[in-house]
Amino acid sequence: DIQMTQSPSSMSASLGDRVTITCQASQDIGNNLIWFQQKPGKSPRRMIYYATNLANGVPSRFSGSRSGSDYSLTIISLESEDMADYHCLQYKQYPLTFGSGTKLEIK
Amino acid sequence: QVQLKESGPGLVQPSQTLSLTCTVSGFSLTDYSVHWVRQPPGKGLEWMGRIQSGGSTDYNSALKSRLSISRDTSKSQVFLKMNSLQTEDTAIYFCTRAHYYSGHYFDYWGQGVMVTVSS
Repeated sequence: DIQMTQSPSSMSASLGDRVTITCQASQDIGNNLIWFQQKPGKSPRRMIYYATNLANGVPSRFSGSRSGSDYSLTIISLESEDMADYHCLQYKQYPLTFGSGTKLEIK
Repeated sequence: QVQLKESGPGLVQPSQTLSLTCTVSGFSLTDYSVHWVRQPPGKGLEWMGRIQSGGSTDYNSALKSRLSISRDTSKSQVFLKMNSLQTEDTAIYFCTRAHYYSGHYFDYWGQGVMVTVSS
């Protein structure tokens, strides 16, 4: 199975900060990676798909990038509504596997 | 509009079988695969399995011996059955859809159903 190593597990940042969350894939997954945002009591919301594509309705302050086997979700200027859990998912190979999640808090 | 909605019992006794239904609208089960994902309280997401648009299935190897996914296309419903439930199966269970080539991969989710395994 492909392992997705997500970091950090939690972080705290100030409004307006640039925030980056990373997932590293244990095998080649190409660009087959999705980033989700999940708020308490809610279903996951797709933010980025195919590693770099912004999903419909997602603010442009969110972006996804790839460097080799490292995939990053960046928020260029943190807003209060971005406080949430973030998860990555590889969909290159079955079984699909998620990262362990990142809890993003606002300072 | 696209909708998915999970339904099923909120409480299941240990060793019993869980039966959940995902009812979809706004798209066809013969065009999209439907996946089940679960999330134990306070923990991360776990992919459980899927039923493809053609009807074939794939399962998480850790659950394969206990899990079955099926569907009724005429009712736009997908079913999850998992036997021999234990307390560690307590989780929110979600269904979501996927269509790789259109980019509609996990773009819509149900609201989830909380399942507690307890006597």
